[in-house]
Amino acid sequence: GESVGLHLPTLSVQEGDNSIINCAYSNSASDYFIWYKQESGKGPQFIIDIRSNMDKRQGQRVTVLLNKTVKHLSLQIAATQPGDSAVYFCAETYTGNQFYFGTGTSLTVIP
Amino acid sequence: GAGVSQTPSNKVTEKGKYVELRCDPISGHTALYWYRQSLGQGPEFLIYFQGTGAADDSGLPNDRFFAVRPEGSVSTLKIQRTERGDSAVYLCASSPVAQGVSSPFFGPGTRLTVL
Repeated sequence: GESVGLHLPTLSVQEGDNSIINCAYSNSASDYFIWYKQESGKGPQFIIDIRSNMDKRQGQRVTVLLNKTVKHLSLQIAATQPGDSAVYFCAETYTGNQFYFGTGTSLTVIP
Repeated sequence: GAGVSQTPSNKVTEKGKYVELRCDPISGHTALYWYRQSLGQGPEFLIYFQGTGAADDSGLPNDRFFAVRPEGSVSTLKIQRTERGDSAVYLCASSPVAQGVSSPFFGPGTRLTVL
């Protein structure tokens, strides 16, 4: 997908609330999707993944939903904590060689 | 165990100089990726290795960029005649499955600044 430049979408939530971060992916042939968390000055950190034969997958405090009909991916974080503040990226692949990253969403958790 | 490591963590160079960036993947990981990330954007694919060979180098922006992985472990990204537009964070990632069906694990990156 295209990058939209320097203005990241932002999301602010109160500590303890649930967060939902959305991602529209570009290629209907993509069959594997990953959510990454990136803190300032660090590399992306794996959170959770999902394959195209599934529509929901749960981890610890996180859930990923996949809607292939509208090419949409979401990440739900339960009971958001200050340590969850970061930029979140979705990544897609259909070759396994290249992972295409979205622009990212900046999550700020308000104590 | 140890994660992906990258050296140096920061590199400042002058326009026109040559630089090498090193990546030590997680031990046993056969797949290795290089990405570039500019401020406020998502990582952009550069090159993918399976073992020693570059299986996909379609993301390299031009022939000033080259990467090697001679023994199927450590990789070096080489940039000739650096330009100011090359300034970015260069990320390396590795994954355990040769066909790339598992998630890449990223290193901390090398921040390259070209003056």
